[in-house]
Amino acid sequence: SSELTQPPSVSVSPGQTARITCSGDALPDQYAFWYQQRPGQAPVLVISKDSERPSGIPERFSGSSSGTTVTLTISGVQAEDEADYYCQSADSSGALFGGGTKLTVL
Amino acid sequence: QLQLQESGPGLVKPSETLSLTCTFSGGSISDSRYYWGWIRQPPGKGLEWIGSIYFDGRTYYKSSLKSRGTISVDTSKNQFSLKLSSVTAADTAVYYCARQNGPETNFDSWGQGTLVTVSS
Repeated sequence: SSELTQPPSVSVSPGQTARITCSGDALPDQYAFWYQQRPGQAPVLVISKDSERPSGIPERFSGSSSGTTVTLTISGVQAEDEADYYCQSADSSGALFGGGTKLTVL
Repeated sequence: QLQLQESGPGLVKPSETLSLTCTFSGGSISDSRYYWGWIRQPPGKGLEWIGSIYFDGRTYYKSSLKSRGTISVDTSKNQFSLKLSSVTAADTAVYYCARQNGPETNFDSWGQGTLVTVSS
C-alpha cells in the first residue's frame, strides 16, 4: 500500500526557516495538503493543492512540490508555530496521511 | 458558521461495535460539492483516515478497515455515522468527523474530536 514519509521532528530557532518534507510514490500524480495540529486541537489546513494558502493562513506558510517529495516551508518561524504537521494525499482507496512531524521552536 | 460535532459512547468493550454520529450545522450535508469523512488519532500517534461518504450514499474506506467499518448518511438529520465492529484496544483513539472537498482531496472543516476508549 502507499505511504507518505515525514521526518519525526524538526527544530528551528525563532525567526529561522523551517522545512518539513513529505515523500511518497503517489505524489507526482496527486495533490498534497498540509495540516497544523496544536495539542488537544483538531487539525487545521495550512496548505492546499501543493502550494495554495487558504484564507486566514499567514503568508509565512508556503508549499512546494518536486517529483515524489513535497515540502512545507515556514519562513520567520514564530513560537506559535510549534505544533505537529501532517501531509495528506490520496491513494487508490482514498485519503492518505503522513506520519506527522513535530516542529519545535527552540 | 460551519460546525461538525461528534457524538457517541466514550467507552466500548472489546469485540463490540463502536458507533459514532457526526452532526453538521451551518449548511447542508446534501451539498454536492462535498464528501464527509471519519479520521482517527490514537493517543500520541498520527492521523488515520477511516473512510468517507457522499450524500447519495457512495462510500470509500481505507483498505485495512473496510471489513469492519460502515459509514452511513442521514440527509434528513444532516448527519453521518460510523460503525466499527469487533473493536480491540488498538481502536482506542480520538475520532474526528470532517468535511472533504472531494474523495481524494483535503478536509477543510473538522469536528473537535471525541475520545473512544476500548476497554472491558
